[in-house]
Amino acid sequence: RKEVEQDPGPFNVPEGATVAFNCTYSNSASQSFFWYRQDCRKEPKLLMSVYSSGNEDGRFTAQLNRASQYISLLIRDSKLSDSATYLCVVFKFNAGNNRKLIWGLGTSLAVNP
Amino acid sequence: DTAVSQTPKYLVTQMGNDKSIKCEQNLGHDTMYWYKQDSKKFLKIMFSYNNKELIINETVPNRFSPKSPDKAHLNLHINSLELGDSAVYFCASSQDDPVLAGINEQYFGPGTRLTVT
Repeated sequence: RKEVEQDPGPFNVPEGATVAFNCTYSNSASQSFFWYRQDCRKEPKLLMSVYSSGNEDGRFTAQLNRASQYISLLIRDSKLSDSATYLCVVFKFNAGNNRKLIWGLGTSLAVNP
Repeated sequence: DTAVSQTPKYLVTQMGNDKSIKCEQNLGHDTMYWYKQDSKKFLKIMFSYNNKELIINETVPNRFSPKSPDKAHLNLHINSLELGDSAVYFCASSQDDPVLAGINEQYFGPGTRLTVT
């Protein structure tokens, strides 16, 4: 099993649709979780951190399910500008200041007019 | 002001050459990273330095050698370039969160597109 897994998609949805992505992780001791967005030929940018209690930022909602070891991203009222690749990131501190930082392969979203 | 900058933006070179990519951040962050993104768009971490100390060293050929002269700079030197090294290389920085034992947002540079012919 891969350490971080995402459905690569592509997800093709019409404007205004609600779409959800999941990201599963294998290390139950993982500590920090993030969703990043990457536009074509650009650098990744943070979309939102994922907190234990779940968090919302406008049309975006992120949730963490530690029991089932996955994080999710929900996008409501999709806009054309939401078309991008969404990457999940899982982080863990190991002993001696070592870190494990794993990126998912990303889920491609295309919002169509 | 550019937060994380990389030079050069494009690099075309022949197999067997040695090249360097430079990265600088002006955010005052204590951690810097090098990533490789291949043609399949898979973003893989290569190295990370925290306060000039190497803290992540993934399975990367020893032809790749990072150097961090200070907290604000992390350069990547590549010896004996191979065709498979062609990719986009991203530098990033972040600030540790020791209270939450995690890391904060990573800020990425614009990437260096390396083509080995």
